[in-house]
Amino acid sequence: GENVEQHPSTLSVQEGDSAVIKCTYSDSASNYFPWYKQELGKRPQLIIDIRSNVGEKKDQRIAVTLNKTAKHFSLHITETQPEDSAVYFCAATGSGGSNYKLTFGKGTLLTVNP
Amino acid sequence: SQTIHQWPATLVQPVGSPLSLECTVEGTSNPNLYWYRQAAGRGLQLLFYSVGIGQISSEVPQNLSASRPQDRQFILSSKKLLLSDSGFYLCAWSQGGDGYTFGSGTRLTVV
Repeated sequence: GENVEQHPSTLSVQEGDSAVIKCTYSDSASNYFPWYKQELGKRPQLIIDIRSNVGEKKDQRIAVTLNKTAKHFSLHITETQPEDSAVYFCAATGSGGSNYKLTFGKGTLLTVNP
Repeated sequence: SQTIHQWPATLVQPVGSPLSLECTVEGTSNPNLYWYRQAAGRGLQLLFYSVGIGQISSEVPQNLSASRPQDRQFILSSKKLLLSDSGFYLCAWSQGGDGYTFGSGTRLTVV
């Protein structure tokens, strides 16, 4: 089945700095890669996603890049703010390119220090 | 618009008691439905998923079961809870290869 590795597990940055979280996946047939943000005690919420026919996508301070050849994708947050502090999860579609089952990384705890 | 409802929000149950968590989705038909658990730490563990009424796939053999009696209803059950069943349970739905939308979660403490 699909395997998603996420790094780092924790990340601490100063307010205003950039943060980068990286994920690799194993199934070359995977074609959908979402990122979720989970604040303490709350549900994960989709913040950005990318499909395999696109190399980069940006939404204000958040961007995601995808390298299909290397099977890795990354989340970039610029000009970080304290409210960006949360756990971030990457995910990829399941084995065989199944478009209904996501495999999640283990999460990155991002702390933005004022 | 689509909404997902999950209840209860918190639950404290004794070891050996039964469990029933319910999740319903509004505003869509034939959604894919999922149950996840988040135990100590941050990982999201897929427990069950369903692509249609009566169709349940189990990802991790354990003390839990799931049912989908109606198109937009997904139920997580246990006949006898274990201490290790404590955690944050999340229901989610998706459709057409899009990302998941999660419910607000149930925090279960087994004592």
